[in-house]
Order: sequence, then structure tokens, then C-alpha cells
Amino acid sequence: AQSVAQPEDQVNVAEGNPLTVKCTYSVSGNPYLFWYVQYPNRGLQFLLKYITGDNLVKGSYGFEAEFNKSQTSFHLKKPSALVSDSALYFCAVRETRGQNFVFGPGTRLSVLP
Amino acid sequence: DAGVTQSPTHLIKTRGQQVTLRCSPKSGHDTVSWYQQALGQGPQFIFQYYEEEERQRGNFPDRFSGHQFPNYSSELNVNALLLGDSALYLCASSGGDNRVYEQYFGPGTRLTVT
Repeated sequence: AQSVAQPEDQVNVAEGNPLTVKCTYSVSGNPYLFWYVQYPNRGLQFLLKYITGDNLVKGSYGFEAEFNKSQTSFHLKKPSALVSDSALYFCAVRETRGQNFVFGPGTRLSVLP
Repeated sequence: DAGVTQSPTHLIKTRGQQVTLRCSPKSGHDTVSWYQQALGQGPQFIFQYYEEEERQRGNFPDRFSGHQFPNYSSELNVNALLLGDSALYLCASSGGDNRVYEQYFGPGTRLTVT
């Protein structure tokens, strides 16, 4: 069965500093990996996805993620955090066969001014 | 271009009652998925509809059922509501062929069961 872990419930970072939100996954076969962000009282917004190819994926709002097959990780990164990046971030995986996304428990990012 | 829309925004029901939630997919999308997001947790997959058929189902009881209409809109029905059904219900739409699409989410329906 596929699963996603986000080992940190909360990440705090100062504005202007780089940020990393961690994600590890478990699937049988090749994974399709996604990052979403959720602001209060809102649905999830798509940030980026890894399907195949270059291990470094660039997405919306300056975010990027690095796929590491040997470590089964897909960490979300941003070179310089903004206060407006403060939100709940979800990593998700979809198996090669199948249609459902499995989401991690979420990581709350707080960017301090 | 309208995104994914859901109605109603909020709903309060009593244990044992039945509820219907509605979703209209993003323009051009033909696949609708439903998720339950309990407070403080990630979304949990309920089921997905494509071509008016349930294509895949998560680990949810038969009390949860759905429907997709010819215009691709969808309904989620929950019977015999339990307190534990209180959650944010999210609808997501995507393209339906075998390519790997990201899902676009609606704002959700907040269901409270008392």
C-alpha cells in the first residue's frame, strides 16, 4: 500500500531564509509525487508535481522540490521564504496504476517576519 | 475560467440524518474525486468518478455513495450520519485519460454532525 510521511508537524523559518518541508513516501513501482498548499478555510492549491525526468522540479510561487529515489524523498524547498508562505503543506503520492492520491498528514509552515 | 465549485459551504446535520454535497468540476475536466479531511489531518480519498461510473474507491463504508452526471458534475451522499463524519469534504477534478494530471480542488464543504 502506498503511504506518505511528513516527519515535521511544524516548521518555523525567518523571512528571507531558505525553507525545506520534508516528505518521504512508500509505493510499489514508480511514484507520481505532488505538493499542495492549503490556506485557512480554503481548498488545496497545486504547487508542483514529479512524474519523470529531472529530479529537480520547479513549481508555483518560487517553490521547487527534489526527488530522491534512493531515499524515497520529495522535499519541498524555497530559497527565500515570505511571510505569505505561511500555510499548511501536503505531500501526496499516486501509484502508477490507480487514480487515488494518498496525502501525508501535513506540515504547518510559519514564516516569521 | 471557473474553477471547481462546491455547495453548500457549510452544513449542520444531526446524527442519523442523510446529506448530499455537490461539486462542479473545472471547465474541461471529466473526472471528479471526493476526499474527507478531518481536523488536523490530510485528505482521505473516498472515491473517484469518471464517465458516470465509480472508478476507484477508498476505505469508506457503503454509507458513502456518489453519482456523476452527464455534465461531469458530481454528488456525494452520506447516509446514517455519525459524529465522526464531521469534516471538510473536498471535491477535486482532473482530466480523465491515462496521463498523470494534478487534481484541482474546490473550497470544500464543512459538515458538522451534532
